[in-house]
Amino acid sequence: QQQVKQSPQSLIVQKGGISIINCAYENTAFDYFPWYQQFPGKGPALLIAIRPDVSEKKEGRFTISFNKSAKQFSLHIMDSQPGDSATYFCAASISLGGATNKLIFGTGTLLAVQP
Amino acid sequence: KAGVTQTPRYLIKTRGQQVTLSCSPISGHRSVSWYQQTPGQGLQFLFEYFSETQRNKGNFPGRFSGRQFSNSRSEMNVSTLELGDSALYLCASSGEGRAYNEQFFGPGTRLTVL
Repeated sequence: QQQVKQSPQSLIVQKGGISIINCAYENTAFDYFPWYQQFPGKGPALLIAIRPDVSEKKEGRFTISFNKSAKQFSLHIMDSQPGDSATYFCAASISLGGATNKLIFGTGTLLAVQP
Repeated sequence: KAGVTQTPRYLIKTRGQQVTLSCSPISGHRSVSWYQQTPGQGLQFLFEYFSETQRNKGNFPGRFSGRQFSNSRSEMNVSTLELGDSALYLCASSGEGRAYNEQFFGPGTRLTVL
């Protein structure tokens, strides 16, 4: 119940295309859903995050779509660029009103944007 | 603001030894979490500290321990190292208020156990 399932494992997209990565969870107590981007040799960087009270959040070319009833959320990268090539992780946490920040991570998606 | 810093960046140890990793959070952040990243298991939560108190712990053996100091800096220790402890160890810090969930990661410490 603590798992977050992420797909696909890898993704190849042409420059200018849309990259879509999906995640699903079981535990309805999760109340915070971030996406992280990680380049080789670096730590994960927070991209964008959403809470269950909204269905969509957009920041620049990055959009999170959240479907509470289906217990799924996805990351859309519009106008994908070669510089977006990285590993992307979804995550979820049960914050208990700020009592903890433990993140449960998905398995990651290796994105390659071809020029 | 300076980001999360971790030292050392690379470590090579042999089985049976112990190791201490250090993390300095973003200035003003009091919550520090540690994660282990491996190709096989992915990113796994180790523990979290807030104001010098451990407030959450993952499913790791007792060989893994940590602490936090009054200036919010944190250390984690792994005793009796095993080959399977080879991993990237990541530290993350977060603030309070509306941003309390936003965790910012350091570059990690790459530990190799021979």
